[in-house]
Amino acid sequence: AQSVSQHNHHVILSEAASLELGCNYSYGGTVNLFWYVQYPGQHLQLLLKYFSGDPLVKGIKGFEAEFIKSKFSFNLRKPSVQWSDTAEYFCAVNPSTYNNNDMRFGAGTRLTVKP
Amino acid sequence: NAGVTQTPKFQVLKTGQSMTLQCAQDMNHEYMSWYRQDPGMGLRLIHYSVGAGITDQGEVPNGYNVSRSTTEDFPLRLLSAAPSQTSVYFCASSSAEGQPQHFGDGTRLSIL
Repeated sequence: AQSVSQHNHHVILSEAASLELGCNYSYGGTVNLFWYVQYPGQHLQLLLKYFSGDPLVKGIKGFEAEFIKSKFSFNLRKPSVQWSDTAEYFCAVNPSTYNNNDMRFGAGTRLTVKP
Repeated sequence: NAGVTQTPKFQVLKTGQSMTLQCAQDMNHEYMSWYRQDPGMGLRLIHYSVGAGITDQGEVPNGYNVSRSTTEDFPLRLLSAAPSQTSVYFCASSSAEGQPQHFGDGTRLSIL
């Protein structure tokens, strides 16, 4: 089945550590890719998106993600995390060969940053 | 800016009851969607709409109905609530196909 996989369910880091959250998808063809963040008790907010062009995408709050087409991956990175980055992170794929409004989300990765 | 507004924020129902979750957006977005969020499963698309009068099923549509009579509103109806529908429900809107979505604050629904 077509899917979006986030391999890390819960990541615990100390402040200033580097972060990489994995995201792989199994849809073929052209896709639009997103990372969303959900802070405790809040709704999802867009961190960054990739539609085309430079595969290294810069987002808000120092986050970036790299699209590697050959690996069907869109991993999220941040060089130095802060306590305020504690949240749940969702990778999402819009497989444009399907219904264009059909956004598929990964199961999420919970990030806990220890002060 | 109000963005996407969902009501109610919390609701407890008994099995078999019906209710409507409201969603309204003031951004003139054509695309609106309903998701449910369950632990360990991320968000799953229930129904979506690409414009007034047009709706379609998502990944998990069973037990839910939607309608889109105006651009602004996209209510989600549970006709006969079941415990399996206990979840957090998010409404989202976007300006165009595949564009980033704006999410509401969610409705936490418990079915006893």
